Amino acid sequence: EAQVTQNPRYLITVTGKKLTVTCSQNMNHEYMSWYRQDPGLGLRQIYYSMNVEVTDKGDVPEGYKVSRKEKRNFPLILESPSPNQTSLYFCASRDGYEGQPQHFGDGTRLSIL
Amino acid sequence: QKEVEQNSGPLSVPEGAIASLNCTYSDRGSQSFFWYRQYSGKSPELIMSIYSNGDKEDGRFTAQLNKASQYVSLLIRDSQPSDSATYLCAVWERSYIPTFGRGTSLIVHP
Repeated sequence: EAQVTQNPRYLITVTGKKLTVTCSQNMNHEYMSWYRQDPGLGLRQIYYSMNVEVTDKGDVPEGYKVSRKEKRNFPLILESPSPNQTSLYFCASRDGYEGQPQHFGDGTRLSIL
Repeated sequence: QKEVEQNSGPLSVPEGAIASLNCTYSDRGSQSFFWYRQYSGKSPELIMSIYSNGDKEDGRFTAQLNKASQYVSLLIRDSQPSDSATYLCAVWERSYIPTFGRGTSLIVHP
């Protein structure tokens, strides 16, 4: 089954404690991205990756890091989380060809206390 | 600043009616347009994609695109209570950062 898998699905943690949210896709997609979704603000892109070792900033990259060492994985790293990063996060992937739709993971709800 | 505007709603329609959802966008260079359905707390699910002017039909859903007027719409025929969700409009131009609208909440009441 084609899917994008995120872990964990839920996490409550404290300010400053480094955390990683993993994302893996099994569709051999070149393009992967991370979004956060906040009430009233919609989906905003954090980072994206066009392929292995190629990453770039989206609209709201501050406070986040990513890496793309393998095609299937695109982890999101919060090195020093703060309460304003409490949000619902989605990983997505799509084929590299222009105009292809994205497939979203099930989401990770992060609470930073 | 690229913008995608959607009426936040809620749009309330009776079961069996046609629901009409609209989206306007600011970037004339936009090339690809998508409608996603999102249930509360769940991930966005692709409903329709459209790339050229005109209508595109898929079952009970019809997407309409008018690039000259910079709007894209989604019609849902024979609306069902299970269609109650938030509908997100997503617009891509030739960059790799899509712009999403904030979504329209649709309520289909029996």
